[in-house]
Amino acid sequence: QSALTQPPSASGSPGQSVTISCTGTSSDVGGYNYVSWYQQHPGKAPKLMIYEVSKRPSGVPDRFSGSKSGNTASLTVSGLQAEDEADYYCSSYAGSNNFVFGTGTKVTVL
Amino acid sequence: QLQLQESGPGLVKPSETLSLTCTVSGGSISSSSYYWGWIRQPPGKGLEWIGSIYYSGSTYYNPSLKSRVTISVDTSKNQFSLKLSSVTAADTAVYYCAIRAGYYYYYMDVWGKGTTVTVSS
Repeated sequence: QSALTQPPSASGSPGQSVTISCTGTSSDVGGYNYVSWYQQHPGKAPKLMIYEVSKRPSGVPDRFSGSKSGNTASLTVSGLQAEDEADYYCSSYAGSNNFVFGTGTKVTVL
Repeated sequence: QLQLQESGPGLVKPSETLSLTCTVSGGSISSSSYYWGWIRQPPGKGLEWIGSIYYSGSTYYNPSLKSRVTISVDTSKNQFSLKLSSVTAADTAVYYCAIRAGYYYYYMDVWGKGTTVTVSS
């Protein structure tokens, strides 16, 4: 299984929106509605932000939203805030209790 | 609320076996229908799923690592472990343990803080 493809970087000014893509195949992203997104600040463990494509765990601001079309999933962060500056990773179920992560995107708040 | 803490040697020699333990607190590892998993992150790189073990003992491994990985559970110590054999410098990474909440949960929602392992002679 190959890593899902994400853009290396994305940026936006405070208050703006940024969207990150996550491209896989029909064996992972396209085959299941089980895409999740993780936020990782430097030196910290990843934190779950989105699961099952578009669901938010309790405590995650509704500024974070997810979607999927075909083999590509997306994470949108609206109303960017300074604390949103972090690395973001997508992940997808790949069948047979296997998972694959994305290559990661560094989000910069300008 | 379950919490996880990784532990193990920070330095491993090439060709040897990397052994890490994840201690579970806040609940019993044997009473929960969870998947107990490992993920790693090489320096400056992305996350890589290593594998997981179901509470029943069934194991699931990343195909690219399957020949070198063993994940096991020690219910008496409320811990689960990772062994990675024949390590090389490419196995240098921060290793995280994490929980997948069950069969119908396809994400990891509880993570340990991670432990750094360097492979070097």
